[in-house]
Amino acid sequence: EVQLVESGGGLVQPGGSLRLSCSASGFTFSSYAMHWVRQAPGKRLEYVSAINNNGGSTYNADSVRGRFTVSRDNSKNTLYLQMSSLRAEDTAVYYCVKARRIAVVRDAFDIWGQGTMVTVSS
Amino acid sequence: DIQMTQSPSSLSASVGDRVTITCRASQGISNYLAWYQQKPGKVPKLLIYAASTLQSGVPSRFSGSGSGTDFTLTISSLQPEDVATYYCQHYNSAPQTFGQGTQVEIK
Repeated sequence: EVQLVESGGGLVQPGGSLRLSCSASGFTFSSYAMHWVRQAPGKRLEYVSAINNNGGSTYNADSVRGRFTVSRDNSKNTLYLQMSSLRAEDTAVYYCVKARRIAVVRDAFDIWGQGTMVTVSS
Repeated sequence: DIQMTQSPSSLSASVGDRVTITCRASQGISNYLAWYQQKPGKVPKLLIYAASTLQSGVPSRFSGSGSGTDFTLTISSLQPEDVATYYCQHYNSAPQTFGQGTQVEIK
């Protein structure tokens, strides 16, 4: 079964840091671009970050650029999101998602993790 | 960034009704458009990609159309299990922005 399982969310103070992980199984992780999408409570889905299949190319949305870093370890089938200088507006459920086609970054997302909640509050 | 605008923001229809949701891109995106369904408290699910291709396992009452800037998601006969928020998303360029969502309810 194709599966994505996020972990690492929690409560953090403004200005703090957190690292999210996403463990992948059931598919050849190293062949697919991966992305992070977040959803604040009661709000729309917001695109956050992308990384190509070999980790050589990344993208971060303007709202997180300079604060968030996406990376991956293909030997561990794991995707990461290092978040720093966190703000209240970063409070959201963070989803790890898989691009539909092999080696294509700009693509629809066919597999979503269950999400991990990040709450930024003092 | 390309902006995605959905209409309506919410709708209420009866079981068996035909439901149409529209999505407009702020610039042309060819057919690089996906539709997702998010049921209350659940994870989003891919329904349609490439504007009109049904994802495997998705009921045939769902269909998509459009190209360029204007797109449509149609539910041919609304079912109780279709209560959800529907999002469009482009993947023409980064960032792959989402629409604001359309909440579908049963009348």
